[in-house]
Amino acid sequence: EAGVAQSPRYKIIEKRQSVAFWCNPISGHATLYWYQQILGQGPKLLIQFQNNGVVDDSQLPKDRFSAERLKGVDSTLKIQPAKLEDSAVYLCASSRDSGGTIYFGEGSWLTVV
Amino acid sequence: AQSVSQHNHHVILSEAASLELGCNYSYGGTVNLFWYVQYPGQHLQLLLKYFSGDPLVKGIKGFEAEFIKSKFSFNLRKPSVQWSDTAEYFCAVRGQAGTALIFGKGTTLSVSS
Repeated sequence: EAGVAQSPRYKIIEKRQSVAFWCNPISGHATLYWYQQILGQGPKLLIQFQNNGVVDDSQLPKDRFSAERLKGVDSTLKIQPAKLEDSAVYLCASSRDSGGTIYFGEGSWLTVV
Repeated sequence: AQSVSQHNHHVILSEAASLELGCNYSYGGTVNLFWYVQYPGQHLQLLLKYFSGDPLVKGIKGFEAEFIKSKFSFNLRKPSVQWSDTAEYFCAVRGQAGTALIFGKGTTLSVSS
């Protein structure tokens, strides 16, 4: 079974630029998550989707972050404009349903300079 | 709000030593509990999980964890660590069904051969 796919793996941008990350969850997984992991900390939930609907985006900085999962499969997370403090690993994860085991992708490493 | 506390930030052991990593959570209702491991350069992988039943849970690679409801704890143990166990370990909790994982800050384990 293929895992959660993410791209790009690494990205370096200047502050105030924009960036987009893509995620393709495990086939058949209805629930998709985006987490932010800052160096030295545990992952923090940004947004949770159930199919193409948002379940929880309470911790998403909506003035600069946006995410969509239009067809209920793959998802895109966008940051515009980026700030230095957005430097982190952005993890995509999925589960068969909201109560199932959550599987993580390898992450997209973002450095904002 | 749910929270997870991992007591040790960095643990250093020699090979064959026993390991116990502490994890406490704050949540009043039914919880699912998880330990994830992140080896250097790799993605988060599930070590073990507790949903219900026997509070002593066995996972991969000889790890086990014990859920003690009265202490709100889910400590990770391994009787004899190996150099290859060097990694970062994250405890995570999920409350009512449908909510996302809340992670602790992680414990870095360094095992010397």
